[in-house]
Amino acid sequence: EAGVAQSPRYKIIEKRQSVAFWCNPISGHATLYWYQQILGQGPKLLIQFQNNGVVDDSQLPKDRFSAERLKGVDSTLKIQPAKLEDSAVYLCASSYLAGVSYEQYFGPGTRLTVT
Amino acid sequence: GNSVTQMEGPVTLSEEAFLTINCTYTATGYPSLFWYVQYPGEGLQLLLKATKADDKGSNKGFEATYRKETTSFHLEKGSVQVSDSAVYFCALSGLSEKLVFGKGTKLTVNP
Repeated sequence: EAGVAQSPRYKIIEKRQSVAFWCNPISGHATLYWYQQILGQGPKLLIQFQNNGVVDDSQLPKDRFSAERLKGVDSTLKIQPAKLEDSAVYLCASSYLAGVSYEQYFGPGTRLTVT
Repeated sequence: GNSVTQMEGPVTLSEEAFLTINCTYTATGYPSLFWYVQYPGEGLQLLLKATKADDKGSNKGFEATYRKETTSFHLEKGSVQVSDSAVYFCALSGLSEKLVFGKGTKLTVNP
């Protein structure tokens, strides 16, 4: 079974530029998540989709971050304009119901450096 | 809100030593509890989980027991190997399914 795919793996941009990340979840997984992992910290949820609807985007900085999940499969996360503090690894995950709890599977992440 | 507190790292052990990484949580209701592992250069992988009080999750020689009375989910392994070197994250999920992570504990095992 193919895992969660993400691209690009690495990106370096200057502040005030824009950037987009792509995620393809595991086939059949209805729920998709984007997390931000700053160096030395645990991942923090940015946005959660159920099919192509947003379930939780309470921690997404909406003045600069946007995300969409067209057709309930692939998703893109965009930052415009980027700030220095956006330097982090952006993780995409998808989940399915295993017994009584959901198990999330993570992609390899995109490491963003903002200079 | 929900939160997870992990012991501060880094942790350095010799091969075959006993490992404990402490994790405590604060949550409303009855969350599910998880340990994830992140090997160098790789993504997060689910190591084990427990979904109700007194459940024990286990995998690859690692164990953790869901203790509701102490709100803890400590990770243990009886004999670590060099290949266990990684960052370990404790996490919980409630009704919304979203994961709340601790800050992670870096483990280095020396031969």
